[in-house]
Amino acid sequence: DQQVKQNSPSLSVQEGRISILNCDYTNSMFDYFLWYKKYPAEGPTFLISISSIKDKNEDGRFTVFLNKSAKHLSLHIVPSQPGDSAVYFCAASAGSSNTGKLIFGQGTTLQVKP
Amino acid sequence: NAGVMQNPRHLVRRRGQEARLRCSPMKGHSHVYWYRQLPEEGLKFMVYLQKENIIDESGMPKERFSAEFPKEGPSILRIQQVVRGDSAAYFCASSPTSDYSGNTIYFGEGSWLTVV
Repeated sequence: DQQVKQNSPSLSVQEGRISILNCDYTNSMFDYFLWYKKYPAEGPTFLISISSIKDKNEDGRFTVFLNKSAKHLSLHIVPSQPGDSAVYFCAASAGSSNTGKLIFGQGTTLQVKP
Repeated sequence: NAGVMQNPRHLVRRRGQEARLRCSPMKGHSHVYWYRQLPEEGLKFMVYLQKENIIDESGMPKERFSAEFPKEGPSILRIQQVVRGDSAAYFCASSPTSDYSGNTIYFGEGSWLTVV
C-alpha cells in the first residue's frame, strides 16, 4: 500500500533548464509534505516543505506546488545545475499524529547534464 | 557542531548473528527516529523514541528487531538472528521536539548492513 508515489524513477535535464519532479499521495490525512535530496552513501537532506494550507512555497531555485484536490505535489528546480544530480524523495506526514513519522515515496533520480 | 552520528557506517554479519546500530542525535535533540531503506525503495519508518520511551513502533518488524534510547548514551537498533532480507541501509534522524516542521528533522548518514 504505497501512500506516496513517485512514478518517475529517473529524470534527465540539461543544465540551466527546469527540472520538475512529481509526487502523488493517497491519504487525505496528510497535512505536511517535504522534499529531500539524497546522494549515494549519504543520508537525506531536507530541501523544502509545504503545509496543506498552502499551494506554493518557494526557496531560491526550489519551488514546491501542492494541488490538494488532485493529491499531487511537484518540485520545480530552476535553473537546474549539475550539482543537483541526486535522488529526490517526496515525503508526507499526518501532523495530528505528531510522531515524526514520514511516509516516503520511492525516489526519483535526477541527472542534470552539463 | 556535530550532526546526527551513526555507527558503524558499514556492518557485515553472517546469517544468525546479531547486528547493533548506534545513533547519537544532534545536541539538544531528544527525539530519535529510525528508518530503513531496502534496495531500490524509499525510506520506511520503523520506530520513534524519546529518552527511555518508545513512542511509536508501528514500523518495526514484530520479531528480532528492537530499539532503545536510554537516559545516557546513544539510541540502539538491535537486530537479532539476522537474515539476508535485513540487508539494507538504516537511517537515524533526530529532532528537538515532536512539534516538528519538517526542516527540524535531521538525518544521519546511515548504517549499511550486509548479511552474508
